[in-house]
Amino acid sequence: NAGVTQTPKFQVLKTGQSMTLQCAQDMNHEYMSWYRQDPGMGLRLIHYSVGAGITDQGEVPNGYNVSRSTTEDFPLRLLSAAPSQTSVYFCASSRRDRGNYGYTFGSGTRLTVV
Amino acid sequence: GQQVMQIPQYQHVQEGEDFTTYCNSSTTLSNIQWYKQRPGGHPVFLIQLVKSGEVKKQKRLTFQFGEAKKNSSLHITATQTTDVGTYFCADRNTGTASKLTFGTGTRLQVTL
Repeated sequence: NAGVTQTPKFQVLKTGQSMTLQCAQDMNHEYMSWYRQDPGMGLRLIHYSVGAGITDQGEVPNGYNVSRSTTEDFPLRLLSAAPSQTSVYFCASSRRDRGNYGYTFGSGTRLTVV
Repeated sequence: GQQVMQIPQYQHVQEGEDFTTYCNSSTTLSNIQWYKQRPGGHPVFLIQLVKSGEVKKQKRLTFQFGEAKKNSSLHITATQTTDVGTYFCADRNTGTASKLTFGTGTRLQVTL
């Protein structure tokens, strides 16, 4: 199993450009989430999904869109990049049941907006 | 909204010393999870605590959930250089089990 795969690993965007961060998991996990990590701010939830066709907003959703057309994929779209969106983005997935299961994180995408 | 704070923000220890990070929430925690993130890496799940007063051990790591479910702690005995990283607690909301609210993290540095 590859786990959670994020692409690209690094990206530089100009202000106003749009792009999609890709996230795919092969563990048949129902739950998927996107987080951003900024220095001193911990991880903040952007959007999340409990299953295909269902998404909801997290703590910091402005400027981002998501969709979940399949169980495996959960892309994050930046509509019009701003310097404030410079961050490390992590995608994560988890099983639905409440046992001792945590989230599996991808290796992250380092995004710089200039 | 819920705030989950961790103290200390940073700790530097010599190898062999013990280390503890504390996680405190402004509201009652549902299920507390702990993650470790190595420098330049991604968070890796360590453990989940669900019951008030629960204590779990993983080799040199001891995890506790407070009696009132508003705090948690991670204690590492006899640190090693491989323990270097940032430790995060996270509240897994049982109402919407897909959501994690992360703590602010404690960065641990271990030197010989």
